[in-house]
Amino acid sequence: GAVVSQHPSRVICKSGTSVKIECRSLDFQATTMFWYRQFPKQSLMLMATSNEGSKATYEQGVEKDKFLINHASLTLSTLTVTSAHPEDSSFYICSARRGASTDTQYFGPGTRLTVL
Amino acid sequence: LAKTTQPISMDSYEGQEVNITCSHNNIATNDYITWYQQFPSQGPRFIIQGYKTKVTNEVASLFIPADRKSSTLSLPRVSLSDTAVYYCLIRMDSSYKLIFGSGTRLLVRP
Repeated sequence: GAVVSQHPSRVICKSGTSVKIECRSLDFQATTMFWYRQFPKQSLMLMATSNEGSKATYEQGVEKDKFLINHASLTLSTLTVTSAHPEDSSFYICSARRGASTDTQYFGPGTRLTVL
Repeated sequence: LAKTTQPISMDSYEGQEVNITCSHNNIATNDYITWYQQFPSQGPRFIIQGYKTKVTNEVASLFIPADRKSSTLSLPRVSLSDTAVYYCLIRMDSSYKLIFGSGTRLLVRP
């Protein structure tokens, strides 16, 4: 099956610093990657969609200047949380899809961000 | 966006068959029904996807009636390790997004 990895798996940072999370599709080329956020006991919330080589599309209410997304290659997308604050502490999950809209989305294992 | 409704939680016992029903009244003609499983602190895992009638794989079966306004995920002979949250989603032909609902929290007891 298709494998998606994330790095790091968990990160703790001080308030005001920036944190970068990587999402990689290990055995397939991902035309589209997605970033979700999940708070405890809640469902996943889609933050943004990124297509290789183009700007990310953000969901309503998600600050694009705070959550910088780069999809520089067909196997790598990065999410940078800039000037992180305690309220940004969450579980960040990426997913990747090969091509057509009907293709299965494969999810990464998630990254636990804690901002002190 | 096609909205899904599913029970918040379900309880079962080891060895039983579990059926989780999802309603999606405004599903569009070309949309697919997809189910994911999520364990705590892990990313969702794809279980099964279908368009109509019945789909079966090594993990589960998916039953979809003719009107496609609902679907039922069937897990045969569940074990303790099947305790998880199960999400029913509509994969829209017109959009590349997967929008998650609240999911069903399944608890399997010994």
